[in-house]
Formats: sequence, structure tokens, C-alpha cells
Amino acid sequence: GENVEQHPSTLSVQEGDSAVIKCTYSDSASNYFPWYKQELGKRPQLIIDIRSNVGEKKDQRIAVTLNKTAKHFSLHITETQPEDSAVYFCAGSNQGGKLIFGQGTELSVKP
Amino acid sequence: GAGVSQSPSNKVTEKGKDVELRCDPISGHTALYWYRQSLGQGLEFLIYFQGNSAPDKSGLPSDRFSAERTGGSVSTLTIQRTQQEDSAVYLCASSLDLSTLETQYFGPGTRLLVL
Repeated sequence: GENVEQHPSTLSVQEGDSAVIKCTYSDSASNYFPWYKQELGKRPQLIIDIRSNVGEKKDQRIAVTLNKTAKHFSLHITETQPEDSAVYFCAGSNQGGKLIFGQGTELSVKP
Repeated sequence: GAGVSQSPSNKVTEKGKDVELRCDPISGHTALYWYRQSLGQGLEFLIYFQGNSAPDKSGLPSDRFSAERTGGSVSTLTIQRTQQEDSAVYLCASSLDLSTLETQYFGPGTRLLVL
């Protein structure tokens, strides 16, 4: 079955710097890759997703890139702000919408 | 509109007791998913439903776990003879249908503590 690995597990950046989180997946049939942000004690919220027919997607300060050949995808946050501090999860899906999640990255943005 | 709701928000139970967790999906969403999140961990897939049918139960940790969905809407996750390792946040999500390309919206979760 699908396996998703996520790195790093923790990431600390200064406000205004960029943050990059990387994920790899094992199943070449996976075709949908969402990213969720989870603040402490809250539910996961979708921040961006990418389908396998595109290589990059951008939404304001957030972008995601997908390399199908290498089976990895990355989240890029530019001009980070303290409110970006949270745990970020990547996920992959190859069947029936079942999401397989990475282990999460705790992002801390220091003012 | 209303999002995914779950009840109870918190549940404390004694080891060996049964618990029932409820999920109300977004109206009109035919697909429903259960995940488990242990403290400081990622989300672990448990089971999903398309309508009232659960084609993939492979994620259920043991036969103490079961889930059902009736009327294509509300779902309940039942854990029998709870164990301390069952302590976690149980998250429900729903999507428009079972397509892999549909966004899953999460509920607030039920925080289960087994003493």
C-alpha cells in the first residue's frame, strides 16, 4: 500500500523567511496530494492541494510542487508570519479518496 | 454552511467499557472517513464509507473496532472493550464523493481517554 514520508519533523524559521517541507510517496498510482495545517487543539484544515496532472500550484504565499518521476512533492511558504506556526501534514491518495498522511512537520515562525 | 460535526467532543472511559463516537458529515457529502490521531502523531486511516457501504475496512486496528453509517449520513464508530492504547483523537471527514480528487473536510474530533 501507499506510504508517505515527511521531512523535517520540526522546522524553525525567522519571520519573513521561507519554509520548505518535503514529502515522498511510494505508490506511483497516487494522483492527489493535499496539504493540511493543524493548529494546536484544532481540526486539520486544507491549505492547498495538487493533482498529478500538474507540476506546480500557487496560492498567494503558498506553493506546492510535484515531481511524479521522483515521487516527491513539497510545500513552500514564503514571507512566513507568526500565524503560520502550526503542524503541517502532507498526504497522498490513490484509491477511493483514502488519504495516507505523512508524520507531520511542526513549523515555528519566530517574530 | 454547517461543517462536519462530531460528538462527544471529549470522552473519558474506563478500560473495558464500550464507547460510541458520532459523526455528522456535510449535507450532500456521500463519502465519509474516519481517522485516528494519537498524541503528537500523524493521522491514521481507519475506514471509509461511500453511502452506507464500507468497501475498505483495512485500517481498523482490531475486531474491537466497528463502524456503520445509516441513511447515507450519520456514522458511528464503536470501540468495544476499550484499552488504554485506544486513547487518541478520532477525526471524521467527509467529501462530495469517493473520488480521490475531492477535498476532505474534517470535523473537530472526539478526544478519547481510556483510564
